[in-house]
Amino acid sequence: SQKIEQNSEALNIQEGKTATLTCNYTNYSPAYLQWYRQDPGRGPVFLLLIRENEKEKRKERLKVTFDTTLKQSLFHITASQPADSATYLCALPPPYGGATNKLIFGTGTLLAVQP
Amino acid sequence: ETGVTQTPRHLVMGMTNKKSLKCEQHLGHNAMYWYKQSAKKPLELMFVYNFKEQTENNSVPSRFSPECPNSSHLFLHLHTLQPEDSALYLCASSLGYRPETEQYFGPGTRLTVT
Repeated sequence: SQKIEQNSEALNIQEGKTATLTCNYTNYSPAYLQWYRQDPGRGPVFLLLIRENEKEKRKERLKVTFDTTLKQSLFHITASQPADSATYLCALPPPYGGATNKLIFGTGTLLAVQP
Repeated sequence: ETGVTQTPRHLVMGMTNKKSLKCEQHLGHNAMYWYKQSAKKPLELMFVYNFKEQTENNSVPSRFSPECPNSSHLFLHLHTLQPEDSALYLCASSLGYRPETEQYFGPGTRLTVT
């Protein structure tokens, strides 16, 4: 069955550094992948979508890569700020999803940016 | 503000109570979703409605009963819940139900079953 793995341990980095979060998946080749941000007590907020034929996508200080050979997506935040501290979730369509908008979410990685 | 509101934000109920969660979206979307988020677990999709019709039921126990009277409102009726049903219940909406469509989430209802 489809499995999504994100680092369950929190990632602590210093302000100004680049944060890199990992999303690995198995047993499947999804057509796209999404990243969401979730703050405590709030619902997830969509950040970026990357398709299988796109190697890289950028949005301001955010960069996402999608390596279909490694079955991995990397999420980078450059020049990180304390305000970037949150849980970051990756989400993929299920193998059997068909022409629907169903998503399977990872457990998320907590990022803490220290001032 | 994401344009998706949920009430109540917090709910404590006994196992014999009946309560309802409400979700409203002001985005003109046609698809609405209920998710369950338990500690240390990924979001679990419960139900999906597209143009008021239920299109997904992810083997959810019958003690959870959804209702979608129109494309802007979604309810989750709860009865005879178990302590393991305590979780954050999130509502989401999207413009359509086609793949890749961005989902907008509400702030969630924190449910505690005693």
